[in-house]
Amino acid sequence: ETGVTQTPRHLVMGMTNKKSLKCEQHLGHNAMYWYKQSAKKPLELMFVYSLEERVENNSVPSRFSPECPNSSHLFLHLHTLQPEDSALYLCASSQETFGALATGELFFGEGSRLTVL
Amino acid sequence: DQQVKQNSPSLSVQEGRISILNCDYTNSMFDYFLWYKKYPAEGPTFLISISSIKDKNEDGRFTVFLNKSAKHLSLHIVPSQPGDSAVYFCAVSTSGTYKYIFGTGTRLKVLA
Repeated sequence: ETGVTQTPRHLVMGMTNKKSLKCEQHLGHNAMYWYKQSAKKPLELMFVYSLEERVENNSVPSRFSPECPNSSHLFLHLHTLQPEDSALYLCASSQETFGALATGELFFGEGSRLTVL
Repeated sequence: DQQVKQNSPSLSVQEGRISILNCDYTNSMFDYFLWYKKYPAEGPTFLISISSIKDKNEDGRFTVFLNKSAKHLSLHIVPSQPGDSAVYFCAVSTSGTYKYIFGTGTRLKVLA
């Protein structure tokens, strides 16, 4: 497999469920991201992991819990979500050049479409 | 308040003509600028980028222009092709951070 793959592509869950989104990158990158895309809103950065360490948490509610067990895998654990959390969740990776001008383009997966009932 | 704005939600252009997509940003600390293209049911794909040390970058039919004094970014596609029909997002970032901030996107439709 190549690029960034996300599973599942579609997920429907109730507000009391616990589920997880999975992302895997096959590009040898050193940073991974979760973005949220809601209708008619810009992509919102949620979390960033660099070398498996969380470096950014963009004021995301605790009902979203990220996990990065290694540089190729990223999870987003979901629990007690609200209907307004329904959105497209996009995973991305990049190769960051530390201490220099940012040159790392983001490579996105196809997204996981989440519906919370 | 949005730091990156794409004020035109949609644009229609005739095949073969030039498409111009615009993006404005508010913070002069941004020093790296990117354009992404997104087809339905797919993730965004990188198109072209420019750093703040340049004012133009060209890649085939795609050219990005940066006007730092106006805090304005534009993407020119010439000639436009029907396969270019997609949503285009501009994104900005600052060296040493991991924050890529995206605009709301412009839906381009190239008419055959």
